Amino acid sequence: GAVVSQHPSRVICKSGTSVKIECRSLDFQATTMFWYRQFPKKSLMLMATSNEGSKATYEQGVEKDKFLINHASLTLSTLTVTSAHPEDSSFYICSARPATGRNSPLHFGNGTRLTVT
Amino acid sequence: AQSVSQHNHHVILSEAASLELGCNYSYGGTVNLFWYVQYPGQHLQLLLKYFSGDPLVKGIKGFEAEFIKSKFSFNLRKPSVQWSDTAEYFCAVRGWDDKIIFGKGTRLHILP
Repeated sequence: GAVVSQHPSRVICKSGTSVKIECRSLDFQATTMFWYRQFPKKSLMLMATSNEGSKATYEQGVEKDKFLINHASLTLSTLTVTSAHPEDSSFYICSARPATGRNSPLHFGNGTRLTVT
Repeated sequence: AQSVSQHNHHVILSEAASLELGCNYSYGGTVNLFWYVQYPGQHLQLLLKYFSGDPLVKGIKGFEAEFIKSKFSFNLRKPSVQWSDTAEYFCAVRGWDDKIIFGKGTRLHILP
């Protein structure tokens, strides 16, 4: 089955530093990748839609200058949390949709637990 | 904007009991509907999906869901649950804008 690899799985950083999270589709090409944030005991909140070769589309309320998304190839999207603060601590999940068409489900990475101290 | 509502936040059942998890969505156009499951310590996995055709959809592990357009519902069912079904279940909807929006999830706990 389709596999999405997300790295790192866990990261602790100091307040004010930046953290990059990678999302790779290992055995398929993904024209579209999505980034979600999951709060404790809450659902996944869509942060942004990442399209290969173009700028990401951010959801309302998500700061694009804080959460930088780059989708440089059909198998890699990155999310960089810039100048991280403790309130950015959360579980970030990426998902990818195969380029085979709209009628395909998303495949999810294992998520990244970010802790900002 | 589309939204998804899951009625039950936490469900506790004994093994062999029947399960039905409610899901209602709000969206005016054609939608794709999904149920995802997240087992403890694991990532989200697709249980089943509805795009078109037969509104009764069969998924993995004995799960099924029925799309009732008039009720904007896509409830998940399983006739006889097992202890290994303990997990969190998310209903999701995708509209014309291709975004997938998730419900808040239902935490299912099966007593052995």
